[in-house]
Amino acid sequence: QSVLTQPPSVSGAPGQRVTISCTGSSSNIGAGLDVHWYQQLPGTAPKLLIYRNSNRPSGVPDRFSGSKSGTSASLAISGLQAEDEADYYCQSYDSSLSGFVFGNGTKVTVL
Amino acid sequence: EVQLVESGGDLVQPGGSLRLSCAASGFTFSGYSMNWVRQAPGKGPEWISYISSSGVSVHYADSVKGRFTISRDNAKNSLLLQMSSLRAEDTAVYYCARGASAAGFNWFDPWGQGTLVTVSS
Repeated sequence: QSVLTQPPSVSGAPGQRVTISCTGSSSNIGAGLDVHWYQQLPGTAPKLLIYRNSNRPSGVPDRFSGSKSGTSASLAISGLQAEDEADYYCQSYDSSLSGFVFGNGTKVTVL
Repeated sequence: EVQLVESGGDLVQPGGSLRLSCAASGFTFSGYSMNWVRQAPGKGPEWISYISSSGVSVHYADSVKGRFTISRDNAKNSLLLQMSSLRAEDTAVYYCARGASAAGFNWFDPWGQGTLVTVSS
């Protein structure tokens, strides 16, 4: 069982907005530790999508946005496109485990 | 271009050992922390080890503590993972991933393409 909990799947039609939640606890997100998001296309390595809760690396479309509140964080994809079909993972650090932790992942399907 | 290339993955018997390497290029390797992250088939990523830029600070996930050893050679821009007492549950694609700075609770960027380790008799 993952320390960070994500919904297994979300789906939306092209152009729609979808959100993915990432729920943690007082030893990670709730402790003020940052959340980062990764996109993993089939057969490839994860790629950084959002860092420090809401920052986009150079080259990531502004359709992707992140936020954090309390013990949870969210990734939003607006104007959903076919190429957004992928697995998405949140990541943080857990002070109780003294290690980095990932969410269980969310598969995004474009209908 | 920042690049990480892993090698050393193989089929190994339970109880065996293996050494993975990660060759870094395109950035000042000695200025960044590095990590090993693995992903079992059909599962999400699992962080397993961290080493600071100088190599002084290392950390392990409980799942590999005492069996795996991370090290780095800043002169050769190389990251290593020595794995021993391998178990079936260690079967995964192993990625090396750069930390965002010399040390700290950072994100991972970029990741290598991964190398497959299969533990089976």
